[in-house]
Amino acid sequence: QVQLVQSGAEVMQPGASVRVSCEPSGYTFTGYYMHWVRQAPGQGLEWMGWINPDSGGTNYVQKFQGRVTMTRDTSISTAYMELSSLRSDDTADYYCAIQYDTSGYYTGAFDIWGQGTMVTVSS
Amino acid sequence: QSALTQPASVSGSPGQSITFSCTGTSTDVGAYNHVSWYQQHPGKVPKLIIYDVKNRPSGVSNRFSGSKSGNTASLTISWLQAEDEAAYYCSSFSSTSTVLFGGGTRLTVL
Repeated sequence: QVQLVQSGAEVMQPGASVRVSCEPSGYTFTGYYMHWVRQAPGQGLEWMGWINPDSGGTNYVQKFQGRVTMTRDTSISTAYMELSSLRSDDTADYYCAIQYDTSGYYTGAFDIWGQGTMVTVSS
Repeated sequence: QSALTQPASVSGSPGQSITFSCTGTSTDVGAYNHVSWYQQHPGKVPKLIIYDVKNRPSGVSNRFSGSKSGNTASLTISWLQAEDEAAYYCSSFSSTSTVLFGGGTRLTVL
């Protein structure tokens, strides 16, 4: 069974950095781009970017350029999303997602999602 | 780039058909047949129900259908059921190689 398992909830101070992990199972880790999507409480979905686990190449939405870093460790088949200089409006559920059984790698058709990681930014 | 535009809410009665709109531009919705739709119940993970404008993933009811005309994509739910009450989000691939989401439409089944 294909699934993505994310790390647990985090409470962070403003200005700090947070790293969320995403561990896939049931498929070849390097075969599918890993995307990150966030959702603030009561708000809509916001795509943040992707990482190609095979090459390590990344593509971030301009809004997060300079603050987000997506990495992977192929030895343990885990992807990471780190967001720095946290602000209160970064409080959100952060999801990893892939296009597993849909066409393409980065067209937005995410059929497999992690369970979400709640990141709360508060002093 | 701006998010795609969706109405904030719609409502319908059981058994009715209802259509959601998702408006983009000539650099996203109008340029590519890579529009997807997601259903999200409160407290749950989004679920893909339509991709590439009109394709349904395995296991998704055929009461859900998608289409596109110009810069506007549409999702139609036929034979509305109480369990369809949820938020619906559209997404599109864009010319900057990014993915845009709409703000979401909340469906109320009366």
